[in-house]
Amino acid sequence: GQQVMQIPQYQHVQEGEDFTTYCNSSTTLSNIQWYKQRPGGHPVFLIQLVKSGEVKKQKRLTFQFGEAKKNSSLHITATQTTDVGTYFCAVPDYSGAGSYQLTFGKGTKLSVIP
Amino acid sequence: ETGVTQTPRHLVMGMTNKKSLKCEQHLGHNAMYWYKQSAKKPLELMFVYSLEERVENNSVPSRFSPECPNSSHLFLHLHTLQPEDSALYLCASSQDGGRGGWGYTFGSGTRLTVV
Repeated sequence: GQQVMQIPQYQHVQEGEDFTTYCNSSTTLSNIQWYKQRPGGHPVFLIQLVKSGEVKKQKRLTFQFGEAKKNSSLHITATQTTDVGTYFCAVPDYSGAGSYQLTFGKGTKLSVIP
Repeated sequence: ETGVTQTPRHLVMGMTNKKSLKCEQHLGHNAMYWYKQSAKKPLELMFVYSLEERVENNSVPSRFSPECPNSSHLFLHLHTLQPEDSALYLCASSQDGGRGGWGYTFGSGTRLTVV
């Protein structure tokens, strides 16, 4: 099945510093999704990127899809304690039965030091 | 409330017990999923149901048995589990696999401890 590598696994930042997590695939992706899971919570959908070179922003979060559609990044500007959690990327995976589901990266756990 | 409700929130069971996890979605989605989340494998797909038919089981041990009686309900039946099965079990739903740009909606999960 489809695999995606996500780095780093952990990131500790001082409040106010920036943060970036990266996802890389060996194959061209039709799209990539990003999720956030707060401590003790469940994953929550943030955004989907579809187009080559696409850049989308949500307040302090910037999402990019690479030109070759094999990699993506999530950048947070001036982190706040509310940004704490694990960020996952997810990519499409097609089973032999023709169904479509997501394969998730291992996630980047962000800690913010106040 | 996310639109996907899972019960129970916490479950402690012995290795000889039989229990069931329940998931209900109120979003009109046509696909539902079971994921296992542990420290070793953060989000591991277990089962996929699309239009109430199982299409993926990812070589999950037979001590886990899914059931999808209709498009709104999903169960995970558990029997003779092992301590290494202790994890957070997440249910999710989507429309058309999430490709429409709205992603998956996850429930709050069941924290399972096998003793």
